[in-house]
Amino acid sequence: GQNIDQPTEMTATEGAIVQINCTYQTSGFNGLFWYQQHAGEAPTFLSYNVLDGLEEKGRFSSFLSRSKGYSYLLLKELQMKDSASYLCAVKATNDYKLSFGAGTTVTVRA
Amino acid sequence: DADVTQTPRNRITKTGKRIMLECSQTKGHDRMYWYRQDPGLGLRLIYYSFDVKDINKGEISDGYSVSRQAQAKFSLSLESAIPNQTALYFCATSAGQLDQPQHFGDGTRLSIL
Repeated sequence: GQNIDQPTEMTATEGAIVQINCTYQTSGFNGLFWYQQHAGEAPTFLSYNVLDGLEEKGRFSSFLSRSKGYSYLLLKELQMKDSASYLCAVKATNDYKLSFGAGTTVTVRA
Repeated sequence: DADVTQTPRNRITKTGKRIMLECSQTKGHDRMYWYRQDPGLGLRLIYYSFDVKDINKGEISDGYSVSRQAQAKFSLSLESAIPNQTALYFCATSAGQLDQPQHFGDGTRLSIL
């Protein structure tokens, strides 16, 4: 099976930076996705990494190291609306299925 | 209008009842998926379909069945509901390239008493 680990909870202050780590052990690798999910709502796509390195999209950046089986999502200039769960998902085989981590709940305090 | 629509949004029912959750999409995607989400466990894949004639089991298919009635419609059935099937259920779709994300519906909150 696939094993995807991320911290359960993180708390940070408005305006600060938070880094959410994700480690994975999967049978093959064809990309890693990050999703944001507000409580009771649908997950929404944030970023995709398939090659090593950093992908930047505004306040959000995602990093991948395939040799280490490691990714992180960096949230800068935190806003209250960033309080949500962040899901790491790996596409392990050469098909279209995703395996999800349990999610990291980020709470932004004023 | 939502691209991926799930009905109903909420459902409370009793043990032993048959339940159908429906999903329709206007994104034109061939690939559709059903997940359930439980606190602390994340999203787990129940069934998926890559086109109208294709149905595949996911990691937790026992107690569930699906039907792909058309490219745009994928329904999930619980033949005889049990309390541990109480969860938040999501339908998702994706396009045909590996780097394309899945797009999720708003979810169905199902409670089985």
